[in-house]
Amino acid sequence: EIVLTQSPGTLSLSPGERATLSCRASQSVSSSYLAWYQQKPGQAPRLLIYGASNRATGIPDRFSGSGSGTDFTLTISRLEPEDFAVYYCQQYGSSHSFTFGPGTKVDIK
Amino acid sequence: EVQLVESGGGLVQPGGSLRLSCAASGFTFSNYWMSWVRQAPGKGLEWVANIKQDGSEESYVDSVKGRFTISRDNAKNSLYLQMNSLRAEDTAVYYCARERGLRYFENWGQGTLVTVSS
Repeated sequence: EIVLTQSPGTLSLSPGERATLSCRASQSVSSSYLAWYQQKPGQAPRLLIYGASNRATGIPDRFSGSGSGTDFTLTISRLEPEDFAVYYCQQYGSSHSFTFGPGTKVDIK
Repeated sequence: EVQLVESGGGLVQPGGSLRLSCAASGFTFSNYWMSWVRQAPGKGLEWVANIKQDGSEESYVDSVKGRFTISRDNAKNSLYLQMNSLRAEDTAVYYCARERGLRYFENWGQGTLVTVSS
């Protein structure tokens, strides 16, 4: 089973700053099967990025994804007030199963 | 507009059972794999189970195998999760999610809270 590790656990930044979130897999993951989600308190997760680098419908272009193999990155180029949230990476594995990373919280400095 | 609306959550004693439902609308339900994903209070996301478009294939996370059963009724555009032998560690918000190409979750419901406690 592939384990996803996210770092840092918490990222404290100010609006307008750049956020770089890391997702590392214990084994190589096909880029096609790596996704990122945003979750705000009391809300369901929202798909941001799929296939490691493709923005989902309606997602602003300040969000970008990159990476391959075992190392993937979500970048928010300039933080807006509504971007402070928890971010999860997710991979699709064998036997039609999925795993999520533990999440990175982006909070206001 | 895609809508997924869960129901059926509540308080149940350890060892008890509960059946969750998810009503889907705004898309052709029978064309998609569907999943249940849960989130324990203050914790991260955990995929629980999924089911193929025609119901012929199911998969489960190891911790619920033999206790939970996922099913669907394409005529009613509905997804279900039968949960038996519930444990305290099953306490979570349960989300219904539409899969895209067996790769990611494109749409999510608002969730329903299941609390297992005596």
